[in-house]
Amino acid sequence: DVKVTQSSRYLVKRTGEKVFLECVQDMDHENMFWYRQDPGLGLRLIYFSYDVKMKEKGDIPEGYSVSREKKERFSLILESASTNQTSMYLCASSFFAEPLYEQYFGPGTRLTVT
Amino acid sequence: ILNVEQSPQSLHVQEGDSTNFTCSFPSSNFYALHWYRWETAKSPEALFVMTLNGDEKKKGRISATLNTKEGYSYLYIKGSQPEDSATYLCASGAGSYQLTFGKGTKLSVIP
Repeated sequence: DVKVTQSSRYLVKRTGEKVFLECVQDMDHENMFWYRQDPGLGLRLIYFSYDVKMKEKGDIPEGYSVSREKKERFSLILESASTNQTSMYLCASSFFAEPLYEQYFGPGTRLTVT
Repeated sequence: ILNVEQSPQSLHVQEGDSTNFTCSFPSSNFYALHWYRWETAKSPEALFVMTLNGDEKKKGRISATLNTKEGYSYLYIKGSQPEDSATYLCASGAGSYQLTFGKGTKLSVIP
């Protein structure tokens, strides 16, 4: 069974703090993704990575950066958290990036920025 | 960015009822259509990935159909059970790495 884990289920941070969200997958998947989910909106892609040290911007990368130093780990970084980054963050991985392949999701991190 | 629409936004059905919901997507440059089930406090999990016009897939009481020419997919649940209560997400891929997700249909099955 593919397992995607995220470092925290709930996180509360203050405005201006640097925030790290960690994601680890155990199935040697090439591709990893970070999404955010907000009420009334679909999942929106922030960044994805198709290989170690490789990254591509998604639809809403502003205010975020990512790091992929090892194949199994993909980190989302909020350089200076703002209240409009309060959201549910979901990490996912897939064997290949092409849309033919299903994505495996983590349980999500609900981040509140106060 | 693709526009993927799901309807209805939410619905309540009685246990034992059958139900269906719709996902519509742009038919140009279509590559694949995904359905995911997202139960509260759990991870979204894939139900189906479909690519061919006319595709029909089935998993237990849940099935899905795909019409790529007109840009829609239906998800059917036969004999709904309380454990089917979840948000059902569809997502379309159009030849790029990205999937574009709809807003989801929230299903509540009343015992």
